[in-house]
Amino acid sequence: NAGVTQTPKFQVLKTGQSMTLQCAQDMNHEYMSWYRQDPGMGLRLIHYSVGAGITDQGEVPNGYNVSRSTTEDFPLRLLSAAPSQTSVYFCASSLGQGVYNEQFFGPGTRLTVL
Amino acid sequence: AQSVTQLDSHVSVSEGTPVLLRCNYSSSYSPSLFWYVQHPNKGLQLLLKYTSAATLVKGINGFEAEFKKSETSFHLTKPSAHMSDAAEYFCVVRVTGATNKLIFGTGTLLAVQP
Repeated sequence: NAGVTQTPKFQVLKTGQSMTLQCAQDMNHEYMSWYRQDPGMGLRLIHYSVGAGITDQGEVPNGYNVSRSTTEDFPLRLLSAAPSQTSVYFCASSLGQGVYNEQFFGPGTRLTVL
Repeated sequence: AQSVTQLDSHVSVSEGTPVLLRCNYSSSYSPSLFWYVQHPNKGLQLLLKYTSAATLVKGINGFEAEFKKSETSFHLTKPSAHMSDAAEYFCVVRVTGATNKLIFGTGTLLAVQP
């Protein structure tokens, strides 16, 4: 198993550009989520999905869209990038929502918006 | 609302000496608590978790944490630090309910001196 994979690893955007951060998992996990990590702030939840076709907002959803058309993939879209979205983005997945279901994290995407 | 507070942003120890990383939590319910580790430029890895079973939880790489309800604490310890322990550590609480949402602390950067 590859686990949770994210592409790209690094990205530089100009203000106003759009892009999609890709996340895929091959563990047949139902629950997937996106976090952003900023210095001194830990990780904050952007959006999450409890299964294909179902998504919901997390703590900091503004400026981001998600969709979940398959169990494996959970892309994060930035429609009009802003410098405040400069961050490291992590995707995570778990088998289910129960407390015993460990979340597995991808390696991250480092995004810079100029 | 649930939250975690990591009391130290940086901790420096000498190799072979004990490690103590402090975390206090706030929760109206019996919490599910975790410690994650992030090595430089890597994703996050689960060290250990508390889910209302034994109050002393053993994790990977010799780490353990003790849940103390009276002190609302979940400190992470290791008897003897190794150079490979140098990383950032996050205390995390799971949001109560049918959800796998996690709330992260701001992180503690552990430096290990030779």
